[in-house]
Amino acid sequence: AQSVTQLDSHVSVSEGTPVLLRCNYSSSYSPSLFWYVQHPNKGLQLLLKYTSAATLVKGINGFEAEFKKSETSFHLTKPSAHMSDAAEYFCVVSSFSGTYKYIFGTGTRLKVLA
Amino acid sequence: SQTIHQWPATLVQPVGSPLSLECTVEGTSNPNLYWYRQAAGRGLQLLFYSVGIGQISSEVPQNLSASRPQDRQFILSSKKLLLSDSGFYLCAWIWGGETQYFGPGTRLLVL
Repeated sequence: AQSVTQLDSHVSVSEGTPVLLRCNYSSSYSPSLFWYVQHPNKGLQLLLKYTSAATLVKGINGFEAEFKKSETSFHLTKPSAHMSDAAEYFCVVSSFSGTYKYIFGTGTRLKVLA
Repeated sequence: SQTIHQWPATLVQPVGSPLSLECTVEGTSNPNLYWYRQAAGRGLQLLFYSVGIGQISSEVPQNLSASRPQDRQFILSSKKLLLSDSGFYLCAWIWGGETQYFGPGTRLLVL
């Protein structure tokens, strides 16, 4: 069975400092992994995805993530946080059973301090 | 380009009343469609998915049902709402890949 674990439920950073949101996955085969962002009372927006191409994936708004098979990790990073990055972030692994189904992490709420 | 719509955006309903939430997708044909619920402070739970007209798969037995009367229309319903049905309901679609694209959501409060 596939699963994802987001290691931090809350992360606080100061504006202009780096962001690190941690995600570990469990999968019996090479997974497809995604990061989504959700602003309050909004739908989920795709930040980036890994589908067995380059292990360093660049996404929107300056975010990137690195797939590390040896560590079963897919951590999300950004060099410099902006106030508008304050939101909830979900790490997702996809599996196929009749259709592509998502297994969501429990989410990490990012707070950006002025 | 593809667009996904959900309505209403917000809904307040009394316990025991019926429910109908609608999701429509534009700019694609024969998408796979999904309904999720996000309860307060919790992650997303897949409720139903559909791979075609009239084809509905239920992931979690509960007070809700889904229908797909048209190719790009997905409806979430209930005959009698419970307090526990409160939450944020999200519709999503896939076509030709495994990336899901989400709608803006419907906030449902059952009182």
